[in-house]
Amino acid sequence: EAGVAQSPRYKIIEKRQSVAFWCNPISGHATLYWYQQILGQGPKLLIQFQNNGVVDDSQLPKDRFSAERLKGVDSTLKIQPAKLEDSAVYLCASSFPGKGPRSYNEQFFGPGTRLTVL
Amino acid sequence: AQTVTQSQPEMSVQEAETVTLSCTYDTSESDYYLFWYKQPPSRQMILVIRQEAYKQQNATENRFSVNFQKAAKSFSLKISDSQLGDAAMYFCAYRRLNFENEKLTFGTGTRLTIIP
Repeated sequence: EAGVAQSPRYKIIEKRQSVAFWCNPISGHATLYWYQQILGQGPKLLIQFQNNGVVDDSQLPKDRFSAERLKGVDSTLKIQPAKLEDSAVYLCASSFPGKGPRSYNEQFFGPGTRLTVL
Repeated sequence: AQTVTQSQPEMSVQEAETVTLSCTYDTSESDYYLFWYKQPPSRQMILVIRQEAYKQQNATENRFSVNFQKAAKSFSLKISDSQLGDAAMYFCAYRRLNFENEKLTFGTGTRLTIIP
């Protein structure tokens, strides 16, 4: 079974430029997550989708970050304009949808996109 | 808000020896999940072990086991018979139980080095 795919793996841009990351989740996984992992820190959730609807985007800097999952499958995360502090690894993860309040479905992570903002 | 703390930025262990990584967390919930994830260099994060807070028995997965102390809000990972392939960043993570597909809250990680 193919895992979570992300591209590009690495990206270097100048500050104030725009950048986009792509994620293709595991087939059948309705839930998709974007995490930001700054060097020396643990991953932090930016946005969570259930199919093509947003479940949680409370920590997404909406003045510069945007994300979409138009057909409920793959997703794009965009930063416009980028700042130095956006340098991080952007991780995409996916899981099957839950089936009740005590349900658990493992989150599977992609390899990440390492962004460097100069 | 829930927080997860890993106070050991780096640990090292001799190959074949045992090492314990520490994690503490803070929550007002009584029911939740705790996890240990492994992130090898330039490779993707994978789940090592999971613990449900309502289960008193500590989880084990082959050479990996946890010591879950609910009252102390402590969740340590023990790796027995350490192997070179165990070298990685290890993250402790928390998830609320009573919500479907709830987000993970991670600690800052512990870098584990295996000495041959």
